[in-house]
Order: sequence, then C-alpha cells, then structure tokens
Amino acid sequence: DIQLTQSPSSLYASVGDRVTITCRASQSIANYLNWFQQKPGNAPKLLIYTASSLESGVPSRFSGSGSGTGFTLTISSLQPEDFATYYCQQRYATFLTFGGGTKVEI
Amino acid sequence: QVQLQESGPGLVKPSETLSLTCSVSGVSISGGSWSWIRQPPGKGLEWIGYIYYTGSPDYNPSLKSRVTISKDTSKNQFSLSLTSVTAADTAAYFCARDRDSNYGLMDNWGQGTLVTVSS
Repeated sequence: DIQLTQSPSSLYASVGDRVTITCRASQSIANYLNWFQQKPGNAPKLLIYTASSLESGVPSRFSGSGSGTGFTLTISSLQPEDFATYYCQQRYATFLTFGGGTKVEI
Repeated sequence: QVQLQESGPGLVKPSETLSLTCSVSGVSISGGSWSWIRQPPGKGLEWIGYIYYTGSPDYNPSLKSRVTISKDTSKNQFSLSLTSVTAADTAAYFCARDRDSNYGLMDNWGQGTLVTVSS
C-alpha cells in the first residue's frame, strides 16, 4: 500500500502568514493527490484535487503543486477561518489512503 | 444539492456487528461511487471502502474480512456492515460521494456519526 507522510504534523501561524504543508508518497502517484480541510466536529472538505486543481468555491489563496512523490499545499495569506487540520489523500492505488494530517493552529 | 446523512446505533457491544446507513438526496446513487470513511477520536482519516455504480465493492485490505458495503437504489441508500467489532472500531463514521472514483474526489460528505464500541 502507498503511505503518505505529511509534514509538519502541526504548525503555529498568524493571520496573514504564508503557510506550506508537504505530503510525500512512498512511491510515485503521478497527480493522484487531493487535499482536504477538516474543522473540529465537521466532515472533511475537498480543497484541491489532482494535485493542483482548485475545487469550486474554494478561495484562491489555496493552491497545490507537485507530482510523483512530492506535493505541497500552500495558503498564501492565512485567514481566521483557515485554522483547521489538513489531509492529503491518494487514489493512485486501489487502496485509497490519507496522510496523517497537519493541524494549523494560532 | 447533494446531501448525505448517516444513521445507525451510536453504541455497539464488542464482538457484535456495526451497521450504518447513508441516505442520499439530490442525486441518484445509481450513478457514481459511494464511500465510507472513519476517524477514531482525535486521530486521522481511514478509508473503509467503496461501492461503485456497478454495485461492485472495494475494501480497505485491513478491514476486508469484516466489511460489507451494499446499496439499495430503490431507497437511494447505501450501507456499511462491520462484523466482530472491538474498541478499536470506535470512531466517527462518514459516508461520502466520490464524483470520480479514479481520483478519489470525495466532494460531498455526511456530517458523520459517532459509534462507540463498549459493553
């Protein structure tokens, strides 16, 4: 199975900061990589799909990049509503997996 | 507007079977792929499995021996059955629509339901 390793596992940031989260796959997954945001008590929300495509309705301050084994999620200017946990997810293999999550805290 | 809602017991005894249903509105489940995901308290997300538009399922290998996902198109619902549960199966269980199962694009989720395994 394909393992996804996110770093950091948590970070502290301020409103207006540029934030970058990394996701590394244990083998090449081309662009079969998605990013989700989850706030406490809520279901995850799809932000970025196929590594770099912005989901409809998601603010343009979110962006994704990468291919193969290395991917990044960037928030260009952190807003108060962005404090949440972010997960990467792969679907390259039949066995779908999520990364361990990155908690973005104030 | 696609909406999903999980339902089922919030408490299940060890060794028994966990059964949940996801009711879907706004779209027919005859098309598309539908998934179950779970999240133990304070931990990350774990994919349980899919049921495809064809009716065939796909399961997480770590749960495959205990999981069954099925659908009832007449009720526009799909279901999860997990046998021989233990405390390790305590989690919030989410159902989700995958608009493109080739890429895992889970774009609509239920609110989740917490299932506790305890005697």
